[in-house]
Amino acid sequence: EVQLVQSGAEVKKPGESLRISCKGSGYSFSSYWINWVRQMPGKGLEWMGRMDPSDSYTNYSPSFQGHVTISADKSFNTAYLQWSSLKASDTAMYYCTRQAVAGSNHYNMDVWGKGTTVTVSS
Amino acid sequence: DIQMTQSPSSLSASVGDRVTITCRASQSISSYLNWYQQKPGKAPKLLIYAASSLQSGVPSRFSGSGSGTDFTLTISSLQPEDFASYYCQQSYGTPFTFGPGTKVDIK
Repeated sequence: EVQLVQSGAEVKKPGESLRISCKGSGYSFSSYWINWVRQMPGKGLEWMGRMDPSDSYTNYSPSFQGHVTISADKSFNTAYLQWSSLKASDTAMYYCTRQAVAGSNHYNMDVWGKGTTVTVSS
Repeated sequence: DIQMTQSPSSLSASVGDRVTITCRASQSISSYLNWYQQKPGKAPKLLIYAASSLQSGVPSRFSGSGSGTDFTLTISSLQPEDFASYYCQQSYGTPFTFGPGTKVDIK
């Protein structure tokens, strides 16, 4: 079964650092880009960025560039999303997704992790 | 960035109803449009990709159409398990952007 298994919920204080993970299984991890998507409480979906695990090339949304870092360790089939200094406004659910491609570069997010809840509060 | 809008933002419908949700892009995106369903407390699920292609395992009552800037998601006969939120997403270029969502609830 193809799946993405995300790390557990986190509760942090403002200014702290954090890294959450997303482990792929059931497919060739290096063959599919991994995206990260944020969903703030009661709100919609926001694309944060993506990484090609085969060469670690990353592509960020301008809204998140400089505030988060996307990385991966293909030897562990795992992608990461990290913050060096959390803010209360980072409180959200974070999803990792597998990026599939159909036809002429029709990218879509065909597999989703269950999400990691991050709560930042003093 | 390409802005995505959806209408309506919410709708109430009955089991068996035909439901249509509209998505509009701020510029032409050809057929680079995906639809996702999200139930409360769950991760989103891909329904339609490339505007009109049904994802494997998704019931045939779901269909998508459109190209350029205007797209629709249609549920031909609403079932109890279809009450959820629906999001469109453009994959024409990064940053990928989602519509604000349409919540479908029970009338």
